Amino acid sequence: GAGVSQTPSNKVTEKGKYVELRCDPISGHTALYWYRQSLGQGPEFLIYFQGTGAADDSGLPNDRFFAVRPEGSVSTLKIQRTERGDSAVYLCASSLTGGNTDTQYFGPGTRLTVL
Amino acid sequence: DQQVKQNSPSLSVQEGRISILNCDYTNSMFDYFLWYKKYPAEGPTFLISISSIKDKNEDGRFTVFLNKSAKHLSLHIVPSQPGDSAVYFCAASDSQFYFGTGTSLTVIP
Repeated sequence: GAGVSQTPSNKVTEKGKYVELRCDPISGHTALYWYRQSLGQGPEFLIYFQGTGAADDSGLPNDRFFAVRPEGSVSTLKIQRTERGDSAVYLCASSLTGGNTDTQYFGPGTRLTVL
Repeated sequence: DQQVKQNSPSLSVQEGRISILNCDYTNSMFDYFLWYKKYPAEGPTFLISISSIKDKNEDGRFTVFLNKSAKHLSLHIVPSQPGDSAVYFCAASDSQFYFGTGTSLTVIP
């Protein structure tokens, strides 16, 4: 079946602009995660959804970052007033139930560049 | 503060030999550990995991060892193959998942 997909694959924007990044999880997966991977670093947790609700958003760096998952499948990560430091690869992952032993399947990521 | 560390950014191994990738962690509350493999322009792919109640888990050519007293885990790949060339991330979880910075493995034919 289809894996996790993310769109766009690349996004270039100017400082101060608003961006939306989309994640389509594996069908039937109730858990969805967003991570950010900066150059030379590992993925860094941002937010975890269980169904439609954000079960843990403690990784969001500040209030410019927001994510939604209104119908419990597709999720959108929204970044307001982008800054150059937001440049990174944004990874989405989904898992069947969300337990910490449940395998997470990652999408290919969206590479965000803020000029 | 980096709770999961991979101190070797790169490793080169001859085809057929053993590859050993290392990972250290600081949080004794971690109860589940994983290794992911990542090719360029792709997301990480789950490789193998181990629960904190075990000290070894094997899956084909891949074996993960956990030493809780040393807060250390390692991934052994034997025999190494050129297709194993990728970046390997270790990760640990309590309720959240924490990733290391990755080790780039090159298997030389």
